[in-house]
Amino acid sequence: SQTIHQWPATLVQPVGSPLSLECTVEGTSNPNLYWYRQAAGRGLQLLFYSVGIGQISSEVPQNLSASRPQDRQFILSSKKLLLSDSGFYLCAWGPGPYEQYFGPGTRLTVT
Amino acid sequence: AQSVTQLDSQVPVFEEAPVELRCNYSSSVSVYLFWYVQYPNQGLQLLLKYLSGSTLVKGINGFEAEFNKSQTSFHLRKPSVHISDTAEYFCAVIVSGGYQKVTFGTGTKLQVIP
Repeated sequence: SQTIHQWPATLVQPVGSPLSLECTVEGTSNPNLYWYRQAAGRGLQLLFYSVGIGQISSEVPQNLSASRPQDRQFILSSKKLLLSDSGFYLCAWGPGPYEQYFGPGTRLTVT
Repeated sequence: AQSVTQLDSQVPVFEEAPVELRCNYSSSVSVYLFWYVQYPNQGLQLLLKYLSGSTLVKGINGFEAEFNKSQTSFHLRKPSVHISDTAEYFCAVIVSGGYQKVTFGTGTKLQVIP
């Protein structure tokens, strides 16, 4: 069966510091991968998606970036965090565009 | 562009009572519709989905939803809720041919009262 991992589970970072969140999927190959952000009291916002290694599509212009160095690895990064980057970050995978399975999430607090 | 509206931000309901969580969407083309559940500090879990076929869709944990094209709705229902159903529920839509982009509603918090 397929499983999706995210780490760290929680993170507290000062403004201006870099960020790296990692997501890995097991038990499948060539999955579609997604990064979402969930701000307090709001719905989910799609940040990036990827249909293959090195293929990244950005939905929202911001100071975040994503990379997919391996088939089942998806990384969310920032060079300098802003207070507004605080939120719950969710990674998801899907065998196709119409089915997505979410990871446990990373709670990021920027201080 | 498509949009999703969840009309109720919070729904309190007594245990063993029925519940309906409302979802309306806006799109000029065909859509695929989903309901997800999120327990506190966890990721989202797919409850059910409508891609095609029967408009009444049954999902996990006794939930079901009905796709109504004329009313552009996809309401979620359960005939008898349990304490364990307390969670936040998200409606989501993908436009046919819209490939990867999922649009989520803002969520409805279901509070089951013992």
